[in-house]
Amino acid sequence: DAKTTQPNSMESNEEEPVHLPCNHSTISGTDYIHWYRQLPSQGPEYVIHGLTSNVNNRMASLAIAEDRKSSTLILHRATLRDAAVYYCIQGGKLIFGQGTELSVKP
Amino acid sequence: ETGVTQTPRHLVMGMTNKKSLKCEQHLGHNAMYWYKQSAKKPLELMFVYNFKEQTENNSVPSRFSPECPNSSHLFLHLHTLQPEDSALYLCASSQGEGLLDLNTEAFFGQGTRLTVV
Repeated sequence: DAKTTQPNSMESNEEEPVHLPCNHSTISGTDYIHWYRQLPSQGPEYVIHGLTSNVNNRMASLAIAEDRKSSTLILHRATLRDAAVYYCIQGGKLIFGQGTELSVKP
Repeated sequence: ETGVTQTPRHLVMGMTNKKSLKCEQHLGHNAMYWYKQSAKKPLELMFVYNFKEQTENNSVPSRFSPECPNSSHLFLHLHTLQPEDSALYLCASSQGEGLLDLNTEAFFGQGTRLTVV
C-alpha cells in the first residue's frame, strides 16, 4: 500500500514556483523518495529521486527534510505543460498513491 | 518516446475473447512491471519480473496471465475478462533488481486502453 500522504490538488500560476509537499513518516533509512508525474492520457514520467540530500535536475528540485519524514518537490517556474498528477513514492516498491493534481493557470 | 513500447494502444474485447498485450524495451533493463489504472484511481501494481523471473504477483486474478520470455519483452494474456477490468494497462521497466533496488528511474510505456464489452 502507498505510504505517502499528499494533498489531492494544488493550483499554481504560470511562471511561478510550485512547492508540492509529501509526508512519508514511516520511511526507513534505506528508502529512496521518488517523484513521478502523469500527464493526461500518458504513462507516468520520472521526475526526480533522492535519499538524504537535496537533489536538483533539469526538471525540478527535491528538498528532503532532515528527519526524512517529508519532502517537497519544487518546480521553479511552472508552465502549462507541468499540469499533471504528481506522485511521491517511498521505498523499494514502486507503489503509487493518489498523488497531487496540479493545475497551472495562465 | 520513453523507450518502452506497448501494443496495441487501444483494445476492445468481448468477455469470451482471448487477447494479449505486449510490452517491449530495448533499454537494457532487467526489471519489467505491469500496472492497471482504472478511471480516477491510482496505478495498481500487478506483476513484477526481474531477469525473466516473476518476483511479485499482487493478488491478481488468474484471468490475467503474464509472460516474460526475455528481459526485453513482457506480455499480459487476457481471457474471460469482466467489464470492470476495463482500464489503462501500463508497462514499465527499470535497471537494477526491480523492486529491491530503486536507486534508479523507471520508464513507462504509453499504455493500452482496454475496454471489455
